[in-house]
Amino acid sequence: EAGVTQSPTHLIKTRGQQATLRCSPISGHTSVYWYQQALGLGLQFLLWYDEGEERNRGNFPPRFSGRQFPNYSSELNVNALELEDSALYLCASSLGLADQETQYFGPGTRLLVL
Amino acid sequence: GDSVTQMEGPVTLSEEAFLTINCTYTATGYPSLFWYVQYPGEGLQLLLKATKADDKGSNKGFEATYRKETTSFHLEKGSVQVSDSAVYFCALRYQETSGSRLTFGEGTQLTVNP
Repeated sequence: EAGVTQSPTHLIKTRGQQATLRCSPISGHTSVYWYQQALGLGLQFLLWYDEGEERNRGNFPPRFSGRQFPNYSSELNVNALELEDSALYLCASSLGLADQETQYFGPGTRLLVL
Repeated sequence: GDSVTQMEGPVTLSEEAFLTINCTYTATGYPSLFWYVQYPGEGLQLLLKATKADDKGSNKGFEATYRKETTSFHLEKGSVQVSDSAVYFCALRYQETSGSRLTFGEGTQLTVNP
């Protein structure tokens, strides 16, 4: 069974640009979560989507946004990139509202903002 | 709010040594507790979990017991191997206050020398 996949693996952008990161959950999972792992800041929760709706949001500015598609895959968009957005962005999936206990993580997208 | 505190690293051990990584949490109720492991260059993998007091999670020789009285979930392994070298994250999920988000500790870098 395929795990959570993310693309691209690496992304290099300049300040002010927009970045789009993609995530495909494990088959049968309806919930997708996004986390940011920035150097020195640990793992921070960004967003949670389930059945196409945003269910919860972490303490991040509105330029971090996303969506979930009918096939449950998800995009994370970061607008007006800043240097401090450089981080590893991890996507996770779970079975959804019926069973949120265990989140399975993808390998991450490493974003570098120059 | 909910929080997780891990022992400061890095931790360096010789092969076959005993491992303990301390984890304590703050939550208003009874969260689910997790240990995740991150190998170099990879995303997070679920190592073990416990969902209620006195539960013991175990996997690959690692164990952790949910201690409500001390609000702790310490990770232990009796005999570490070089292949256990990774970063270990303690995390909690408490539905009532934070929904499905995971709250992570700072992570503990473990290096095992042959």
